[in-house]
Amino acid sequence: ETGVTQSPTHLIKTRGQQVTLRCSSQSGHNTVSWYQQALGQGPQFIFQYYREEENGRGNFPPRFSGLQFPNYSSELNVNALELDDSALYLCASSRRPGNTEAFFGQGTRLTVV
Amino acid sequence: GNSVTQMEGPVTLSEEAFLTINCTYTATGYPSLFWYVQYPGEGLQLLLKATKADDKGSNKGFEATYRKETTSFHLEKGSVQVSDSAVYFCALPNRDDKIIFGKGTRLHILP
Repeated sequence: ETGVTQSPTHLIKTRGQQVTLRCSSQSGHNTVSWYQQALGQGPQFIFQYYREEENGRGNFPPRFSGLQFPNYSSELNVNALELDDSALYLCASSRRPGNTEAFFGQGTRLTVV
Repeated sequence: GNSVTQMEGPVTLSEEAFLTINCTYTATGYPSLFWYVQYPGEGLQLLLKATKADDKGSNKGFEATYRKETTSFHLEKGSVQVSDSAVYFCALPNRDDKIIFGKGTRLHILP
């Protein structure tokens, strides 16, 4: 059973650019959630995808968007990057939306300069 | 909505000391409660969980008991090791089943 994998592990972007982060969910999991973890803070929920549809969204602006593919992998896209977007972005997968036992990837460290 | 508050860190202890990291919650109903751990440079791992009042979750020598009277879920370990140095997060699901986390407590264990 493969775990949750994220790519890339590190990324540096310039303010105003766009970025795409990728996540492969754990085998047998159809639900993917994305979190933003600023330095020294707990993860904040961005949104969740279930069977290719958005299934809940946190308090993040529309320039944060996502996709889920038929194989349940997922992308997080951020447009018009701001300095405050610098953070660790975590992907978590679970067997179903109501199953709160989520398994996390190692994260993508995004730095916006 | 539901929320969780945990003690500020960092917490620094000597090896073999007793550990307590406090966590209190505010919730509608009785949701499951979790402790996650984040080792340096890694993502989060589920450390333990409790699904109902008076349940005790345990793993790797860590324990936490779901106390509805005091709305608490304190993390304890009787004898910490250097390898326990990490950031610990208390967490619970919100009403829409999305996990919300505390701010984290950084633990340093000195040899």
